[in-house]
Amino acid sequence: NAGVMQNPRHLVRRRGQEARLRCSPMKGHSHVYWYRQLPEEGLKFMVYLQKENIIDESGMPKERFSAEFPKEGPSILRIQQVVRGDSAAYFCASSLPGGQPQHFGDGTRLSIL
Amino acid sequence: QQQVKQSPQSLIVQKGGISIINCAYENTAFDYFPWYQQFPGKGPALLIAIRPDVSEKKEGRFTISFNKSAKQFSLHIMDSQPGDSATYFCAASIGGTSYGKLTFGQGTILTVHP
Repeated sequence: NAGVMQNPRHLVRRRGQEARLRCSPMKGHSHVYWYRQLPEEGLKFMVYLQKENIIDESGMPKERFSAEFPKEGPSILRIQQVVRGDSAAYFCASSLPGGQPQHFGDGTRLSIL
Repeated sequence: QQQVKQSPQSLIVQKGGISIINCAYENTAFDYFPWYQQFPGKGPALLIAIRPDVSEKKEGRFTISFNKSAKQFSLHIMDSQPGDSATYFCAASIGGTSYGKLTFGQGTILTVHP
């Protein structure tokens, strides 16, 4: 499968735990984006990364959320000390340099108990 | 100013009919306008996209109409089929270093009855 791969597809965490979401971009893509989708809402931009570099994190909450895209391996979205309001679908997209078009993975559904 | 407003929230169309979804924006710096289709449990899939230098783009049964002066764009689905039943999102982005950041509309749930 040459598409954007996200794992896990479903993740359940208790309040206060950490959640790690992984994204492997399409082959040849060096730009990764994370979006969050709350129930029955549109997607909201969180962060835009290139390898080893954060380009735009204007949509990231100031606390508890971080993202990285290392030289080797997948991009990681990390949520520390999760709260009920973090329950959402988190989507990753990737693109070639230039930013568009973006191709999306099937998301990680995060549930907080 | 970064918002993209989409309407209607939901749409019911008979098989063979035309589905029309509209979006409006305020920020004139937006210069790329894609439409995405999303099925339940799946990620958004790019359908068709347009830039403001053209007024219309057609790909198969899908057409984007773009009105730069009114700051509006719309998706037309001709000969709608039950398999088109999905949620549709319009989006927009700005050039430069923010080129990757997509601003999405709220989505339209399309139901096509057989």
